Formats: sequence, C-alpha cells, structure tokens
Amino acid sequence: SQKIEQNSEALNIQEGKTATLTCNYTNYSPAYLQWYRQDPGRGPVFLLLIRENEKEKRKERLKVTFDTTLKQSLFHITASQPADSATYLCALGSQAGTALIFGKGTTLSVSS
Amino acid sequence: DGGITQSPKYLFRKEGQNVTLSCEQNLNHDAMYWYRQDPGQGLRLIYYSQIVNDFQKGDIAEGYSVSREKKESFPLTVTSAQKNPTAFYLCASSRHGPGETQYFGPGTRLLVL
Repeated sequence: SQKIEQNSEALNIQEGKTATLTCNYTNYSPAYLQWYRQDPGRGPVFLLLIRENEKEKRKERLKVTFDTTLKQSLFHITASQPADSATYLCALGSQAGTALIFGKGTTLSVSS
Repeated sequence: DGGITQSPKYLFRKEGQNVTLSCEQNLNHDAMYWYRQDPGQGLRLIYYSQIVNDFQKGDIAEGYSVSREKKESFPLTVTSAQKNPTAFYLCASSRHGPGETQYFGPGTRLLVL
C-alpha cells in the first residue's frame, strides 16, 4: 500500500540555523509533491509545490528538493526564526487526479 | 475576502446524536474535501466532491455523510454510527479536482459529551 513518512515527529533547532525536514514515500509515483504549514488549532496553509521533473524550488527562505530516485523530498528553512515554529506536512499528488496523500507532519520548534 | 469558513469552531455531541458541520467557500472552487485529524494520525480523507450533487468516499467515510447541493457549500454530518467522533475536522477546497493545491478552513473541533 502507499506509504508516506516524515522523518520525525519533532525537530528542535536554534534560531538562525537551517531546518531540514524529510518526506519519504513508497509504492507511489507522484507527479508532484506539496508542503503545507499548520499552526496549532488551525488549518494547513500551502507553501510550495514541486513537480516530478523539477529538482529544486525556492521561495524566500524556503527550499524544496525532490528526488524521485530516492523517493524523497527535503524541505529546508534557512535562517530559521521562532515564528517558523509549526507543524509541516508533505502531501503527494498524481496526474491521475486521485486525492492528495498527506504525511503525519513534523513539528518544528525554533528556540531563540 | 475570499476563503473558506467553517462553523462552529467547537461542537459538542451527545451519545446517539447526529451533528452537522458547516463548510462554505467563496473561491469559486469546483472541488471540496473533508478531513479528520487526530493526534499523531495526520490528515485522513472522509469525503470529497468535484461537482455539485456528486461526491466520493475517502479512506474513512463510515459513520459520516455529506451533501453538495450548492457549489459553495459542503456540509458534513457525523452520524451516531461514528463511534469515535472526537477529532479536529478540516474542510478544504481546490480549483478543479483532487491532487491540486488545497485551501483549508480554520477547522471544527468536535467533542463528545
């Protein structure tokens, strides 16, 4: 069955460092991968989408990579700030139009 | 402001009672979704709809029902058949169909008395 895993439930880093979150998948061939941010008690907010033919995507301090050989996406936040503390979800999508598959999320805590 | 609204923010259900969660969007999106979120479980799809008067079951549809009489509205009913309804319920929409970028509402937290 399809499986999507995010590297750890929690990640703690110091302000100014780069946070790296991992999303791995098995038994799936996604056409694209999305990353969302979720704050406690709120709905997820879309951050970035990367397609299968793209190696890397950037948006301000965010960078996403997508390696279809390793079946893995890395999500980087550079110069992290306490305001970046949240849960980050990855989600896989296919060209067939099937529903997105969400990972369980990684909770990032950035301390000052 | 364009967006998705969910009401109420908190909802209490008594044993054996059906309750309905509201979801409205003014983004003119075709597709709408309902997810359930439990601690440590991530988002699980309950139902989704791509057009009015049509909807599809997701991974955990048992004990839930939906309707899509209007493009902008997709209410979810948690029936008495759902034995463990306590969770955070999220409604989302996307422009055309599944797999696209989704825009989420603020969520409804359902608690059983």
